[in-house]
Amino acid sequence: DAGITQSPRHKVTETGTPVTLRCHQTENHRYMYWYRQDPGHGLRLIHYSYGVKDTDKGEVSDGYSVSRSKTEDFLLTLESATSSQTSVYFCAIRDSDTILDTEAFFGQGTRLTVV
Amino acid sequence: AQSVTQPDIHITVSEGASLELRCNYSYGATPYLFWYVQSPGQGLQLLLKYFSGDTLVQGIKGFEAEFKRSQSSFNLRKPSVHWSDAAEYFCAVGDKGANNLFFGTGTRLTVIP
Repeated sequence: DAGITQSPRHKVTETGTPVTLRCHQTENHRYMYWYRQDPGHGLRLIHYSYGVKDTDKGEVSDGYSVSRSKTEDFLLTLESATSSQTSVYFCAIRDSDTILDTEAFFGQGTRLTVV
Repeated sequence: AQSVTQPDIHITVSEGASLELRCNYSYGATPYLFWYVQSPGQGLQLLLKYFSGDTLVQGIKGFEAEFKRSQSSFNLRKPSVHWSDAAEYFCAVGDKGANNLFFGTGTRLTVIP
């Protein structure tokens, strides 16, 4: 299994509070991604990173920010959590210039509930 | 815009029976197509992918998929399902140079003895 660790695995938080999810990899892969998975929507890209301090938005980035200060860590922050951000969040890593060249490896997911 | 449709939300098959999961895509150029499997509580694992060439691609765990451009389809098949195949299956499409995959909504497979 690819060395990807997501933390926490489960979290319940209150509306309006900030939340940070962490993705840690031991593979030294260049690309890291945050997806959210919701019933009826499949997986949707929130943000991705193509190097240290290099990030870009995905299709559902509103309400989320990210940071990557080290190759191995990619943080996803919900500045002020809302109930619509209740979801399962997946981190993925890849080691190529395009997503098509190599397989993307996924973490086990973080289940976030905003009450 | 790219999109993927998996028309079957849930499929139930008997162990040993054949399986076909449907996937239809919408994309203007040559699509790059993928099937992923997600076991309960786990992340996604790549089963197979199609970029070009032979339209019948073989994947892991005995799965195969056939790309049919005329039907905009990339259906996943397995001749004999095992109980361990129970999972959720996602079809995805991307394009050359893109940095994202567009996923379908998934098909949940139940295998009965």
